[in-house]
Amino acid sequence: AQTVTQSQPEMSVQEAETVTLSCTYDTSESNYYLFWYKQPPSRQMILVIRQEAYKQQNATENRFSVNFQKAAKSFSLKISDSQLGDTAMYFCAFPTGGGSNYKLTFGKGTLLTVNP
Amino acid sequence: DGGITQSPKYLFRKEGQNVTLSCEQNLNHDAMYWYRQDPGQGLRLIYYSQIVNDFQKGDIAEGYSVSREKKESFPLTVTSAQKNPTAFYLCASSSYRAGEQYFGPGTRLTVT
Repeated sequence: AQTVTQSQPEMSVQEAETVTLSCTYDTSESNYYLFWYKQPPSRQMILVIRQEAYKQQNATENRFSVNFQKAAKSFSLKISDSQLGDTAMYFCAFPTGGGSNYKLTFGKGTLLTVNP
Repeated sequence: DGGITQSPKYLFRKEGQNVTLSCEQNLNHDAMYWYRQDPGQGLRLIYYSQIVNDFQKGDIAEGYSVSREKKESFPLTVTSAQKNPTAFYLCASSSYRAGEQYFGPGTRLTVT
């Protein structure tokens, strides 16, 4: 079965510091995408960053970057210079299925609190 | 502006009544999805559709039904057979080949 595991239910960080959220997954696919989503208190799901598995270079979006270790099936999210607005639930996700069964599998999430 | 709309934002129903949640997208995406989210929990897939007039059951389809008569619309009906319907419901869409899903603002359903 293809699964996604986020082992940190909750984390906290001081404003302006750096924090890393972990995610591991299990898949038999060789070419796939991985995603991090953010869900702030408004509950709107927002795509934070996307990584293509066939690319060795880690994806970066402003203060957000990933550490992608394909062999270890690890996909962590690093948030630099944390801001109060980064307080949210963070979910990692990757696609499973194919054809008419294509869908995303989400982890259970990590609640990140940024403290002033 | 392109996007996904869900209505209403809050919905209240009496136990035993069916209720339909709306989801519309103007992103020209082929695929659409319905998720359920309970407090402190992740997303659980209810139903999904890759093309018009075709849809698949997700992990928790019991007590729910959907239709996909138009590309831009994917309504979800919560039937009286759903044992615990009170939850937050999210609709999403994706371009088939891109992979990432884009989400609507969600509907909070409360059944008493």
